[in-house]
Amino acid sequence: ILNVEQSPQSLHVQEGDSTNFTCSFPSSNFYALHWYRWETAKSPEALFVMTLNGDEKKKGRISATLNTKEGYSYLYIKGSQPEDSATYLCARDSNYQLIWGAGTKLIIKP
Amino acid sequence: NAGVTQTPKFQVLKTGQSMTLQCAQDMNHEYMSWYRQDPGMGLRLIHYSVGAGITDQGEVPNGYNVSRSTTEDFPLRLLSAAPSQTSVYFCASSYSTSGNTEAFFGQGTRLTVV
Repeated sequence: ILNVEQSPQSLHVQEGDSTNFTCSFPSSNFYALHWYRWETAKSPEALFVMTLNGDEKKKGRISATLNTKEGYSYLYIKGSQPEDSATYLCARDSNYQLIWGAGTKLIIKP
Repeated sequence: NAGVTQTPKFQVLKTGQSMTLQCAQDMNHEYMSWYRQDPGMGLRLIHYSVGAGITDQGEVPNGYNVSRSTTEDFPLRLLSAAPSQTSVYFCASSYSTSGNTEAFFGQGTRLTVV
């Protein structure tokens, strides 16, 4: 079972500031990298599915980049808002399975 | 759209009891899976299915059984509950079996085994 690492484990950010966090994964036999947003008492919801090296995806104030050669992806949030408070999960595919990181818990301070 | 429907939302079991967690999706997705989520850890795959009649083990399959008799339904059975199975369980489905389409999650089941 390959390892997917996310850092930092948690992050406190002032409202209005921008932030980013990292997902690291083994680069061999790569096919897809997923990002999900998970709010407390809810279910994870997909943000992005990325497959190509150099891919960059954007949804509103949230964007993500992918480097499959070195095995990392960054998630960026621009101008953080209280509603961005959530745990952000990444997952890498491996032989019909998604292998998940433990998540980055983002807390936005008003 | 109902999406992925998972029941029950909460359950308390005594050690040794058995139960079935239900999962149904109405999106005609081929791929379905069950995860458990424990504090400080990522979602861990219990079992998955790439289509009706086909199931396989994930990372932590011991103590659990699954079946996939229809495309829509993917129940998870706990054979003899143990305190180590106290966890939050999520069912998920996705359109493709190839890993490049997003997963849709049920609302989760919080299971406590005493």
